[in-house]
Amino acid sequence: EVQLVESGGGLVQPGRSLKLSCVASGFTFSNYGMNWIRQAPGKGLEWVAYISSGSSYIYYAETVKGRFTISRDNAKNTLYLQMTSLRSEDTALYYCARPPNWERYFDYWGQGVMVTVSS
Amino acid sequence: DVVMTQTPVSLSVSLGGQVSISCRSSQSLVHNNGNTYLSWYLQKPGQSPQLLIYKVSNRFSGISDRFSGSGSGTDFTLKISRVEPDDLGVYYCGQGTQYPWTFGGGTKLELK
Repeated sequence: EVQLVESGGGLVQPGRSLKLSCVASGFTFSNYGMNWIRQAPGKGLEWVAYISSGSSYIYYAETVKGRFTISRDNAKNTLYLQMTSLRSEDTALYYCARPPNWERYFDYWGQGVMVTVSS
Repeated sequence: DVVMTQTPVSLSVSLGGQVSISCRSSQSLVHNNGNTYLSWYLQKPGQSPQLLIYKVSNRFSGISDRFSGSGSGTDFTLKISRVEPDDLGVYYCGQGTQYPWTFGGGTKLELK
């Protein structure tokens, strides 16, 4: 069974940093690209970042480019999102999501981890 | 960026009824490889989104044939027939043809 479990969220002050993790199981993690998608409270879905299976290709939303860094450790089956210079508008539930191989939609999602940016 | 516009924003339906949700993109979603990466997701209350339909009209594993997707280019539709209580929630369309991948604003399906 495919499982994606996020962690690392919490309350953080504006301008500070936070690192999210997503541990994958039930599939060969190193064969799949992965994404982070977020959802502000009461709002819709916003794609944040993508990383290819071997980390060769990385893409970001303009709203986070230069502040967030997506990375992965295939030996640990773990996806990361390093978030710096956090702003109140980064407050959201952050999901990791997997697309099927070479596809461009999301077949499995984690349960999400909440990040609240507030003083 | 490709803007995805969903209508209506909310929808009331009776159990057993049929509904349609529209999703329009600001640019064609036909990828250079010939595929159209338009997908539909349902987010039930308190849950993560779940994939319903991918590449316009393909139902994901385990998804009832009461759900059907259609459309082409910039104009897409999700139809739900014989609505059941478990169908209630917010429906999102999403495009993966062009980065940044984007989603529609959502359509909330409620009971009449």
